[in-house]
Amino acid sequence: DSGVTQTPKHLITATGQRVTLRCSPRSGDLSVYWYQQSLDQGLQFLIQYYNGEERAKGNILERFSAQQFPDLHSELNLSSLELGDSALYFCASSLSVGTQITDTQYFGPGTRLTVL
Amino acid sequence: DAKTTQPPSMDCAEGRAANLPCNHSTISGNEYVYWYRQIHSQGPQYIIHGLKNNETNEMASLIITEDRKSSTLILPHATLRDTAVYYCIVRVNAGGTSYGKLTFGQGTILTVHP
Repeated sequence: DSGVTQTPKHLITATGQRVTLRCSPRSGDLSVYWYQQSLDQGLQFLIQYYNGEERAKGNILERFSAQQFPDLHSELNLSSLELGDSALYFCASSLSVGTQITDTQYFGPGTRLTVL
Repeated sequence: DAKTTQPPSMDCAEGRAANLPCNHSTISGNEYVYWYRQIHSQGPQYIIHGLKNNETNEMASLIITEDRKSSTLILPHATLRDTAVYYCIVRVNAGGTSYGKLTFGQGTILTVHP
């Protein structure tokens, strides 16, 4: 158990819909990262938040957005869903901004999103 | 971040050492080598990381060549539960625009058999 929690574990929805994925980082961790894993693209970095502020962006679509709240949990919002958005979505957390030697990322169990 | 090259798959007998190679010939002086593994569709699990010295923890050992262009992850006594995809990742630990993101490649599928 990494200490990172994600809800829900599974999500089935229809095209065009909007969903919210939730992540709680390990106690004391200030950074939260979101990754997407699809069959054809592998594990890809989406976005990072550090202490409530967006820190880095990766291959995140404009239909997707995220935020980190004062209690440091994070939500990833996916809207206008398409079939190709079906994937595993992982959240990870680390102690600090992400570039320190102590900033090992610990991953949650993931949310499996199926878009029908 | 530097690119890594790993064999797509490897086999290992249970109880034997599993040696997983990784090539990172374009690694920079401030880039660390990280290893993660992913069992089935679970979240990636951190294993170990290092800069230039060999490292050991309760899970594995990491051997980095003197020129730092390659490394080997060693699982000393592989078990069936070590069957997973193993990812070798190179990452800067000194600021810059990449911050903390991890860039995953295709990894090595390690199969441990009885």
